[in-house]
This record gives sequence, structure tokens and C-alpha cells, in this order.
Amino acid sequence: DTGVSQNPRHKITKRGQNVTFRCDPISEHNRLYWYRQTLGQGPEFLTYFQNEAQLEKSRLLSDRFSAERPKGSFSTLEIQRTEQGDSAMYLCASSQRTGGSTEAFFGQGTRLTVV
Amino acid sequence: GDSVTQMEGPVTLSEEAFLTINCTYTATGYPSLFWYVQYPGEGLQLLLKATKADDKGSNKGFEATYRKETTSFHLEKGSVQVSDSAVYFCAPNNAGNMLTFGGGTRLMVKP
Repeated sequence: DTGVSQNPRHKITKRGQNVTFRCDPISEHNRLYWYRQTLGQGPEFLTYFQNEAQLEKSRLLSDRFSAERPKGSFSTLEIQRTEQGDSAMYLCASSQRTGGSTEAFFGQGTRLTVV
Repeated sequence: GDSVTQMEGPVTLSEEAFLTINCTYTATGYPSLFWYVQYPGEGLQLLLKATKADDKGSNKGFEATYRKETTSFHLEKGSVQVSDSAVYFCAPNNAGNMLTFGGGTRLMVKP
């Protein structure tokens, strides 16, 4: 399977715990994006990487959120001290930036439930 | 920043009916425009795209034309099927940095 892979698919955690999600992009894709989607809403941009550099972060990404892409391949998104409002689907996408239009491919997402 | 306005759903149609889902956007410059589809419990799949004015994107019977003068990218299909039931998202992409999504339009097709 050469698509974008996200793990785990589902995560239930208690409020106050830390969680970490992983995204494996399509190989050779140099851009990787994280989005958050709440029920009935469209995805909201969180952050993106070009190779290992984190180029942009949304204001939605509070201090409790951190994302890394250490070797320009897979990425992790960590949420510290989770809150009930963090419950959402976290989507990862990747694309190959070669100029002009860049088509992003999405993973199936990680659904986080904070209880 | 970029923004998208989509018609609110749900849109409920009978099989073989004609579909239009309206999308208008605001963006600086000349963004590429995308329609993504999301089936229940799944991530987003690219449905079609257009990269410049008057381009028509098409896939699986769906079409959308990039209308720069009206900043619109309406999605159409001549004859919907039950399997088209999903949520559809319109999204401009400026300079390839990130997609800006609207709230999505849920389509329900009844047999």
C-alpha cells in the first residue's frame, strides 16, 4: 500500500493524558500536512512541513500541540494534557511540491476521543 | 486568508437525479481549486481539480469549471447514484501551501 498511513485509527484517552499520533506519507512526497476535523465540519489546517522543516503553524495549534518530522519522512503529532475539546479526527496529508498545483493525498485519519 | 462558502446540506436526491453543489471562494492570486469527497468514517479523497480559469475538472461523472469572474467552482453530476452519498468539500489551494476547506455538503441519494 503506497498511500498515506496513519496510526492509530482510533484513540480513547482520559483528560489530562498525553497522546501521540503517527503519519507515514507517500514516499518521495516532500510536504506533509496535519488537519483537524470535528464532527460536521470541514478539516482545519494545523501545520505543515516541507521535508523536515515546519514551515507554517495555525493559531489552532496551541502550546499543548507539537509536531515533528525528524528525517523528512514520517511525522508525529503530540497533544499534551488532553482536553475534551481536543476530541476530533486528526488527518494527515502529503504532497509533492514541484511548483504550481499540488495535489494532496489524505490518510484515513486518527479519531481521538477524550473522556 | 482564503475562505470557502458551500451550500448547506444535506442535499437529498433520488437516484439518477441531477446534482449541483455550489461553491464560491475568496483567495488572493490565482489558486488551484479542488473538490474532495469523504465517505463515512474515511479520510478525504480527491475527486477533481482545476488549476486555471475556465479549466474543467472531471472524474467519475462529476464536473466543475473554474470560474474566475464569479470566483466559483460548482460541482455537477448528471445522474447520481446511491454510492455517491458522501460529504463533498470544495477547497482552494494557494501556492500549494495548504488547502482551505468549506464546511462540506452532505449528499444523500435515495434509491
